[in-house]
Amino acid sequence: AQTVTQSQPEMSVQEAETVTLSCTYDTSENNYYLFWYKQPPSRQMILVIRQEAYKQQNATENRFSVNFQKAAKSFSLKISDSQLGDTAMYFCALRWGAQKLVFGQGTRLTINP
Amino acid sequence: GAVVSQHPSWVICKSGTSVKIECRSLDFQATTMFWYRQFPKQSLMLMATSNEGSKATYEQGVEKDKFLINHASLTLSTLTVTSAHPEDSSFYICSARPGLATSSTDTQYFGPGTRLTVL
Repeated sequence: AQTVTQSQPEMSVQEAETVTLSCTYDTSENNYYLFWYKQPPSRQMILVIRQEAYKQQNATENRFSVNFQKAAKSFSLKISDSQLGDTAMYFCALRWGAQKLVFGQGTRLTINP
Repeated sequence: GAVVSQHPSWVICKSGTSVKIECRSLDFQATTMFWYRQFPKQSLMLMATSNEGSKATYEQGVEKDKFLINHASLTLSTLTVTSAHPEDSSFYICSARPGLATSSTDTQYFGPGTRLTVL
């Protein structure tokens, strides 16, 4: 079975600080994809970043980057220079083949002014 | 690009009635769409996978006779909650994946969700 675990239910940082959200996963597949999605108060799911498991290089998207440790099955998200608009629920997700996404429990991130 | 819409955004209905929720991919064709349910302060739980022109695949524990899914075209999937009861009240989210059904590289794009309240 494929599982995704986010061990931090809530986090809070000051604006402009850097924050790292943790995610671990378990899969027996060799080819899979990892994602971080953001769900702001509007509840619209927004793709933040994706990582192909076969790529060793960590994905980056502007202020967002990941630390992908394949052997440890760890996929953390780093948000640099955090902004008030980053306040949201963040979900880590795993997908293998052409199949469905499995989501973690989510981390509620609050950016304080 | 890659916009997915849902209609309605919220609906209130009486117990025992049926409610239909539409999910549309506006600027791409989606051979596969997914329906999720999200309870307050919880994660998304996949209910079913909808493939255009074929029967939906339901997750374990999801009643297919209660949650009817139809994917009649490459841009539209519908979820009908039949004989709704208060425990069906939830936030329902769809997502759509462009490309071929066998493609493993395409990202899912999510609709804005539908809040269902059953009185």
